[in-house]
Amino acid sequence: GQNIDQPTEMTATEGAIVQINCTYQTSGFNGLFWYQQHAGEAPTFLSYNVLDGLEEKGRFSSFLSRSKGYSYLLLKELQMKDSASYLCAVRPPNTGTASKLTFGTGTRLQVTL
Amino acid sequence: SAVISQKPSRDICQRGTSLTIQCQVDSQVTMMFWYRQQPGQSLTLIATANQGSEATYESGFVIDKFPISRPNLTFSTLTVSNMSPEDSSIYLCSVVTRHLGGEQYFGPGTRLTVT
Repeated sequence: GQNIDQPTEMTATEGAIVQINCTYQTSGFNGLFWYQQHAGEAPTFLSYNVLDGLEEKGRFSSFLSRSKGYSYLLLKELQMKDSASYLCAVRPPNTGTASKLTFGTGTRLQVTL
Repeated sequence: SAVISQKPSRDICQRGTSLTIQCQVDSQVTMMFWYRQQPGQSLTLIATANQGSEATYESGFVIDKFPISRPNLTFSTLTVSNMSPEDSSIYLCSVVTRHLGGEQYFGPGTRLTVT
């Protein structure tokens, strides 16, 4: 099975940087995904890591360490519209790219003035 | 990415009835999934919708309660049968495209309330 842990809630100030951590314990691993979900809306894809290191996409970056079972999502220059839930999801091993995901419980981020 | 639509967007149903949710994608996709998201919770996978064959259900979900069809590569339905208030949830379909990472894209969801 897979166990995925994220902080439940975080608060940060507009313009600041926030790091949302995700740890996972799995019997194998084949990719980690981050999704953003605004209240009442469907999740939207943010990033994907399968190798160790940092993937940067504009204000959003995601980092992965497979040996530590650890990832983080870094949001820079926070904006009020970044207030949302951020979901970490892991793809099980030996399943190829077309495979189901297991989601963490999500981190609710509140951006304040 | 793929454009995904779901019908209905929301519904209020009585206990004991059934509701069928439709998911339509604008392009052929590799895989389609059905998730449930209960209030304040994360997503729980119900099943993988297999084209032309029976769906693959996750632990805790059974075909009699959540029958699924996928007649072609762009369309699937999920039925919530013999509903109870505990079935009140958002139901989302998702698809995997042929992009390198195999990321999933989600439909807008169907908000179901059972009274």
